[in-house]
Amino acid sequence: DAGVTQSPTHLIKTRGQQVTLRCSPKSGHDTVSWYQQALGQGPQFIFQYYEEEERQRGNFPDRFSGHQFPNYSSELNVNALLLGDSALYLCASSSSYRGRGSGNTIYFGEGSWLTVV
Amino acid sequence: DAKTTQPNSMESNEEEPVHLPCNHSTISGTDYIHWYRQLPSQGPEYVIHGLTSNVNNRMASLAIAEDRKSSTLILHRATLRDAAVYYCILRDGQGAQKLVFGQGTRLTINP
Repeated sequence: DAGVTQSPTHLIKTRGQQVTLRCSPKSGHDTVSWYQQALGQGPQFIFQYYEEEERQRGNFPDRFSGHQFPNYSSELNVNALLLGDSALYLCASSSSYRGRGSGNTIYFGEGSWLTVV
Repeated sequence: DAKTTQPNSMESNEEEPVHLPCNHSTISGTDYIHWYRQLPSQGPEYVIHGLTSNVNNRMASLAIAEDRKSSTLILHRATLRDAAVYYCILRDGQGAQKLVFGQGTRLTINP
């Protein structure tokens, strides 16, 4: 059973460019969230997708956008990259069918390392 | 979002028990206590969670104070592979799917 998979694992972009990161959720999961983790910090919630719609959003500018596809996979897009966007971007998945809070374990991928130069 | 407080770092020896504390004095009645850990160069990994009663699984035990304002993650026999950052997170059992991470505790295991 494949877990959460993310691509690419590492990439380097130039300021002002745009980047797309991809995520395939764990088998059986329908909800995908994205997190940004700066060096030495805990992950910060960006947004969550369920039924192809953004359901929750953290404190991130509109330069950060996403998409969820009918097969539950997801993309994170970041426009007009800034040096401060350099971070590990984590995708997490969970199942809405298992209820909330208690039995609804959230699984993370290994992340995409983005360096903006 | 309810906050948790953890020590920045802890150190222990291999094959000894480790007790990782977490304070959450503003916890609400519907908040579950979740623990995740993050090994170097990996994404966070679920460890254990609980509401009121102490919990055990193959990875660890979770001891929850009677007033629920604090909890302790217990690793019974630490190994070198347990060296990681451990995060204590409160998660609303009413439906919150997001996790609010703090700084966590960086656990070092000495051989």
